[in-house]
Formats: sequence, C-alpha cells, structure tokens
Amino acid sequence: DQQVKQNSPSLSVQEGRISILNCDYTNSMFDYFLWYKKYPAEGPTFLISISSIKDKNEDGRFTVFLNKSAKHLSLHIVPSQPGDSAVYFCAASAAGNQFYFGTGTSLTVIP
Amino acid sequence: ETGVTQSPTHLIKTRGQQVTLRCSSQSGHNTVSWYQQALGQGPQFIFQYYREEENGRGNFPPRFSGLQFPNYSSELNVNALELDDSALYLCASTKGGSPSYNEQFFGPGTRLTVL
Repeated sequence: DQQVKQNSPSLSVQEGRISILNCDYTNSMFDYFLWYKKYPAEGPTFLISISSIKDKNEDGRFTVFLNKSAKHLSLHIVPSQPGDSAVYFCAASAAGNQFYFGTGTSLTVIP
Repeated sequence: ETGVTQSPTHLIKTRGQQVTLRCSSQSGHNTVSWYQQALGQGPQFIFQYYREEENGRGNFPPRFSGLQFPNYSSELNVNALELDDSALYLCASTKGGSPSYNEQFFGPGTRLTVL
C-alpha cells in the first residue's frame, strides 16, 4: 500500500520558468514531510522539509506548500535551472518514525 | 567531514545465495537506516540500527538482517536471494535514533542484481 504517491513520473520545464512537483499522501498521522533530490549514481540529498503545523516553507528558490485537508504537498522551484534536473522524491513520517517515500518525479530543465 | 560510503558499488549474485552489503556512516552519526529502491520505485525502509540494536523495521522478511558495529558502521545481510531482491540498496545515517526529525544523509548505494 503506497502511502506517499507522486503521480507524475516526469516533468519538463524551460529554464527560468517555475517547476511544480506534486505529492499526495494517505496517512493522516504524517506530521513531517521532506523533499529529496537524486542525481544518477548518487544517493538522495535532502532539499527542504515542512512540519504539519505550517503550510509553507521557503528556502531560496525552493518552496514547499502543504495542504493538510487535501493531503497534498507541492515543491515549487523558481526560477528553474538546468542543474535542477534530477529525480525528486517526497517523503513523509509520523512522529519522526519510519520515512515513507514516493516513487519520484524526474525533472528536466531545458536550457 | 566524511560522508556516507557504501561497498561494493555493484554486485551480481544468483538465486539462493547470500549477500552482505556494507555502510560507513557519516562522522558523528550513531544511527543507520537501510532502504531498498527497486527500479521505478522510491526507497522502501528495511530497518534502522541505533547503538548496535535494531530500532525499527519495515515490511521485509527475516532473511533481511543487519548489524551495527561500535564505530557505527553497518552491514545488511540478505539470505536466500530471490530475483525480486534486485534493487539499489541505500544506507542513510543520522544522529539520535528513532523517532527523530534529524536529516538523513544517504550513501550512493549498492546495485544488487540477482540472476
């Protein structure tokens, strides 16, 4: 049973435009959400997180939005750069226990 | 500061064999988690080790086992390999055991192929 879902396997965006990556979850006990970025032949690296007590968290070009009622979060990258091309995973946890990952979205930023 | 390292990088085994994968945690980290990432899937939590004890386990059978050593490095052992065990195995280290909101640092993974 996939508790965290990323329904878009891939996304292509022009350089300088906004990239929006989406993630849905089913477990209402999740209280902490993260986005990881993965380049080929490397492990995932932490990008940004959000606690369920917030609905937005911003770090430079990256903003994560959380809609608890819809059980939905999104990652916005503005402006998108070619170096942002990677696979993005969202992950969720309940009370800091086991993390559940989505299947990933492959982002391609076209120069 | 040394990051998380894993060995070997790639491994090919046949069904029924046993395999041991190794992970050295980041300096200062006392907790190691193992994940299995099958092709086209996200990482799935196998188990976590904190202070040499298993400290949480995902939905994996007992033939997946592990160890953590006093220097916090860790091994993942898989017995009686099956074709479906073919995957990228990721190790992640952090401070403080579970539950924890501390950031996990991932290694590059070991690609296991079972023929």
